[in-house]
Amino acid sequence: IQLTQSPSSLSASVGDRVTITCRASQGISSYLAWYQQKPGKAPNLLIYAASTLQSGVPSRFSGSGSGTDFTLTISSLQPEDFATYYCHQVNSYPNTFGQGTKLEIK
Amino acid sequence: EVQLVESGGGLVQPGRSLRLSCATSGFTFDEYALNWVRQAPGKGLEWVSGITGDSSNIGYAESVEGRFTISRDSAKKSLYLQMSSLRAEDTAFYYCAKARYCPTAPCPPDYWGRGTLVIVSS
Repeated sequence: IQLTQSPSSLSASVGDRVTITCRASQGISSYLAWYQQKPGKAPNLLIYAASTLQSGVPSRFSGSGSGTDFTLTISSLQPEDFATYYCHQVNSYPNTFGQGTKLEIK
Repeated sequence: EVQLVESGGGLVQPGRSLRLSCATSGFTFDEYALNWVRQAPGKGLEWVSGITGDSSNIGYAESVEGRFTISRDSAKKSLYLQMSSLRAEDTAFYYCAKARYCPTAPCPPDYWGRGTLVIVSS
């Protein structure tokens, strides 16, 4: 199952609302997660089961979708949110990641 | 506290083999699926392999199928990745990652190690 994220990169300002999309090549129900990764660090789980917020993750992060189309929304960007974001499907082996979306400061 | 510590990385020649280990602590080992995920320097994440808690279900990425073997040892609370016929494109940081607990469905990793670097070069 291939995951295609868009956009591949994004410039935004603090306080902006940002949406990243992830499209699966076939239906994956709600078995999709979103990760944030900063340089030199392991990925950090933000959302699992498409829309469930991982414990400790700020509520400005939200996820939606099912089947083949998913979105990650950050309601009001904070300085610490500038990072690379990945979607990840666990519907079936082999699991796969999207190619990533790099979120940069405008 | 959940901890995952990878070891076994290093410089290896193309065509040779290498075994990665991941020592775990802080959770009930047999209850969680474990994964290997890699990341080439400056590139994106690539899921490599996964194994369920009871080892009944194992999966591999197409890029490593037939060359890599995942296994786990309950007594040692450790995860392994045996890599053979290594290629330059296998060069990457290899992360060990524990799946989150989801009662009735597959779940993604919620804890990750710091990674171990594998460089395949002559």
